[in-house]
Amino acid sequence: AQSVSQHNHHVILSEAASLELGCNYSYGGTVNLFWYVQYPGQHLQLLLKYFSGDPLVKGIKGFEAEFIKSKFSFNLRKPSVQWSDTAEYFCAVNADNAGNMLTFGGGTRLMVKP
Amino acid sequence: DVKVTQSSRYLVKRTGEKVFLECVQDMDHENMFWYRQDPGLGLRLIYFSYDVKMKEKGDIPEGYSVSREKKERFSLILESASTNQTSMYLCASRTSGYSYEQYFGPGTRLTVT
Repeated sequence: AQSVSQHNHHVILSEAASLELGCNYSYGGTVNLFWYVQYPGQHLQLLLKYFSGDPLVKGIKGFEAEFIKSKFSFNLRKPSVQWSDTAEYFCAVNADNAGNMLTFGGGTRLMVKP
Repeated sequence: DVKVTQSSRYLVKRTGEKVFLECVQDMDHENMFWYRQDPGLGLRLIYFSYDVKMKEKGDIPEGYSVSREKKERFSLILESASTNQTSMYLCASRTSGYSYEQYFGPGTRLTVT
């Protein structure tokens, strides 16, 4: 079974700092990749997704992620964070042998100080 | 907009009680999912359903069952609640096809005492 690792459990940044959240997965075949975000008190929503094509994908609110197949990674980035980016971020992977199933990472709690 | 609703935001039950968590989606999605969310563990799949009356076990099905009698509704059942089932429960739905985006409900925070 595939696994997804998010190495940073808690990240604290000041506003305007740059953000990079790591995500690595274990499956060697074809994957679809996702980043979801959960703002305080709100439900999970999709930030961005990668299915194929350009490995650099752009999402909502200025976020982007880069798929590096050789490193089994899909790191999330934002050049300048805002206080409103305070949330928990989840990386998720759907492997081509997993049908409907998504495997989620453990999540990263981001706190942005004003 | 896809809407996934869950019957309760907060629930407190006693050990041994039978618990029903309900989820309804309004987008005619074929696939529905139940996850539990625990700090540091992310989301773990309990069960999913790809059609009415069809179900598949996820990663942690022990202690849970599900029911899907209508396409829009997917119920999670805790036959005999235990304290280690205290958690946040999330329902999600997704259409079939290549797009694997799941849409999530607001969650039910269940406390078993």
